[in-house]
Amino acid sequence: GAGVSQTPSNKVTEKGKYVELRCDPISGHTALYWYRQSLGQGPEFLIYFQGTGAADDSGLPNDRFFAVRPEGSVSTLKIQRTERGDSAVYLCASRLNRAGEQFFGPGTRLTVL
Amino acid sequence: DAKTTQPNSMESNEEEPVHLPCNHSTISGTDYIHWYRQLPSQGPEYVIHGLTSNVNNRMASLAIAEDRKSSTLILHRATLRDAAVYYCILRDRGSQGNLIFGKGTKLSVKP
Repeated sequence: GAGVSQTPSNKVTEKGKYVELRCDPISGHTALYWYRQSLGQGPEFLIYFQGTGAADDSGLPNDRFFAVRPEGSVSTLKIQRTERGDSAVYLCASRLNRAGEQFFGPGTRLTVL
Repeated sequence: DAKTTQPNSMESNEEEPVHLPCNHSTISGTDYIHWYRQLPSQGPEYVIHGLTSNVNNRMASLAIAEDRKSSTLILHRATLRDAAVYYCILRDRGSQGNLIFGKGTKLSVKP
């Protein structure tokens, strides 16, 4: 079956620009997570959705980062006024239920020049 | 969630068993031990998890110390495709939230 998909796979942008990263979770998965991974580090939590609502956004680094999941399926991570330090791989994961494992997408590699 | 400690890197030969250690001395009674791995240029993938008893699945085995302060992920016959970063993560039984990743162990497999 289809796994978690993320688009685009690569995004190059200039400092100060706005970007949107999309995540399509596995159908029927109610929980959705965004993580960010810098080179040589493990993934770092950003935000968690249960259904349409953000259940935990404590990992968002500042107010330039925002994420939505309006219909409880697809999610978009939005970054305003990008900075070079935002360059990383952004990973999305989904989970079916409370006890289940998280299924990760391949990530979007964001490069801010 | 409690902290885990893993070696930065390990090497193995192809078709030999690999034992990947993880220390979690501050584990609580309701923490499950989860292992994920991340192949190059991919997102992490679930490997196995357990609470107290040793666990086996098609990918690996998980051996948990009697005092639960450490565990070992066992790959019975390493293949080149098993070269990845392996993460040991503790999650409370009641947690619905995110995983907390450390730096993991980078496993290299030599042909």
